[in-house]
Amino acid sequence: QQQVKQSPQSLIVQKGGISIINCAYENTAFDYFPWYQQFPGKGPALLIAIRPDVSEKKEGRFTISFNKSAKQFSLHIMDSQPGDSATYFCAASLPNTGNQFYFGTGTSLTVIP
Amino acid sequence: KAGVTQTPRYLIKTRGQQVTLSCSPISGHRSVSWYQQTPGQGLQFLFEYFSETQRNKGNFPGRFSGRQFSNSRSEMNVSTLELGDSALYLCASSLGGGEDTQYFGPGTRLTVL
Repeated sequence: QQQVKQSPQSLIVQKGGISIINCAYENTAFDYFPWYQQFPGKGPALLIAIRPDVSEKKEGRFTISFNKSAKQFSLHIMDSQPGDSATYFCAASLPNTGNQFYFGTGTSLTVIP
Repeated sequence: KAGVTQTPRYLIKTRGQQVTLSCSPISGHRSVSWYQQTPGQGLQFLFEYFSETQRNKGNFPGRFSGRQFSNSRSEMNVSTLELGDSALYLCASSLGGGEDTQYFGPGTRLTVL
């Protein structure tokens, strides 16, 4: 049973465009929502994270939008670049569970020059 | 500062065998988590160790076990290997857990024939 559902599975975007990846969850007890970026042959790396008391968080070209009532959150990559081509994972964790994260199944992003 | 290292990077085993994977965390990190990554399921949490104690455990059978040593290095063992155990096994370390940033290693690619 997938605790965090991620879509789309793959995404192709033109350079300079906006990439949007969506995630949905059921467990309202989740209190921390990170996004990870993974390049081939590498482990995932933390990109940006948000807590449910905030509706939006922006770091450079990356923005998380959080909709608590809909139990959804999304990653927006503005001005997408070929170097952003990677697999992106959303995740969620429960309070006081250390590093036990529930990950989405990933989105493979390709940015075409 | 050196990153998380995992050895070996690649392994080929046959069904019924057992395997031990090793993870060396970033210096000073006391939390080590293990994840199984497969194309269909994404990243699934196996367990987390903190100061030599298992702090959290995911929903995997008892064939999957781990331990952590006093220097925070961790090993993961899978006994009686099955074809479905073929996956990328990722290790991540952090200072103490929770919202501390997890740093992932490059993973060990296990193939079970």
